[in-house]
Amino acid sequence: QQQVRQSPQSLTVWEGETAILNCSYEDSTFNYFPWYQQFPGEGPALLISIRSVSDKKEDGRFTIFFNKREKKLSLHITDSQPGDSATYFCAASRGGNYKPTFGKGTSLVVHP
Amino acid sequence: EAAVTQSPRSKVAVTGGKVTLSCHQTNNHDYMYWYRQDTGHGLRLIHYSYVADSTEKGDIPDGYKASRPSQENFSLILELASLSQTAVYFCASSDEQGYEQYFGPGTRLTVL
Repeated sequence: QQQVRQSPQSLTVWEGETAILNCSYEDSTFNYFPWYQQFPGEGPALLISIRSVSDKKEDGRFTIFFNKREKKLSLHITDSQPGDSATYFCAASRGGNYKPTFGKGTSLVVHP
Repeated sequence: EAAVTQSPRSKVAVTGGKVTLSCHQTNNHDYMYWYRQDTGHGLRLIHYSYVADSTEKGDIPDGYKASRPSQENFSLILELASLSQTAVYFCASSDEQGYEQYFGPGTRLTVL
């Protein structure tokens, strides 16, 4: 059972455009949603996260929009840069569970 | 300075041989995890541990053993390596709530 789903599987945008990566989940007890960024040959690194009590979280060009009712969230990358080309993982967890659930990732390519 | 290190970074093993992957963290975290990454599957949890000398099964533990001799060290052991275990393996650590994970650089394992 895939509890965290990401779409699209791959995404290509031009430099300067806004990339939108989607994530949905099934378990309503999840209350923390981190996004990880992974470059080829490296381990994933925490990029930005949001708690379920919030509906928006911004960090520079990266913004998470969260819809608790629909169990959906999205990561918006504004003014996309070629250096943003990476795989992005959405994850979900609940405090005390210790085992986050990861989506399968979205591969983003930003063309100059 | 890296907080989670893995060794070796790559390894070629023969089918039926024993493989040990090592992980060391300096985050002072209680929780440590082993994941494997395959194209199209994202990150899948193999084993995790929340205290030294104790390990727990993750979502795909078959064919793997784990060892946590100290808070800082966590090993993944393949007693009889198989072709299907060719993958990239990541170690991670997290705080007591398990919200944010800090990943190592990965070990690329090829079983021939």
